[in-house]
Amino acid sequence: GQNIDQPTEMTATEGAIVQINCTYQTSGFNGLFWYQQHAGEAPTFLSYNVLDGLEEKGRFSSFLSRSKGYSYLLLKELQMKDSASYLCAVRDGTGANNLFFGTGTRLTVIP
Amino acid sequence: GAVVSQHPSRVICKSGTSVKIECRSLDFQATTMFWYRQFPKQSLMLMATSNEGSKATYEQGVEKDKFLINHASLTLSTLTVTSAHPEDSSFYICSARLIGQMNTEAFFGQGTRLTVV
Repeated sequence: GQNIDQPTEMTATEGAIVQINCTYQTSGFNGLFWYQQHAGEAPTFLSYNVLDGLEEKGRFSSFLSRSKGYSYLLLKELQMKDSASYLCAVRDGTGANNLFFGTGTRLTVIP
Repeated sequence: GAVVSQHPSRVICKSGTSVKIECRSLDFQATTMFWYRQFPKQSLMLMATSNEGSKATYEQGVEKDKFLINHASLTLSTLTVTSAHPEDSSFYICSARLIGQMNTEAFFGQGTRLTVV
């Protein structure tokens, strides 16, 4: 089975840095994705890691350690519009390369 | 990026009726599309994988006779919720990948909010 864990909720201050962690135990692995989802909307792609290390993309960075089954999403210079749910998803690498999602972390940015 | 269009965005239906949701890839072809369901404050749960020209693959616990999936072309997959009940009320989202691009991100439709009354 697939087990992907994230904190349920986090709160951070505008302008600050926040790190959202994700741990996973899956039957296979072929990449880890982070998506942002605003309430009632579809997820939008943020980042993709398949090798160990840090991927930086503007204010967002994502880190992966395959040996530890661990990833984090780092958001810098937080803005109010960053308030959303952040979903960690793992591609299992079997069959159709399905994406399995974690429970999502609801981030609230406060002034 | 690639665009996936999902229709309708919202639907209210009576208990016992059927509802069809369409998922179209507008500017690319997709041999595989995915259907997810999301309950309030929960994450996306994969329901089934839709394969063009063949039967869909359903996740454990998802009733294939209740959630009918048809992937008749490389740009269209449909999900029909048959004999809908209030507990089927949820947010349904489809996604698609570019042909031959197994390691790229999936592109999501806008989602369909289904309310069964």
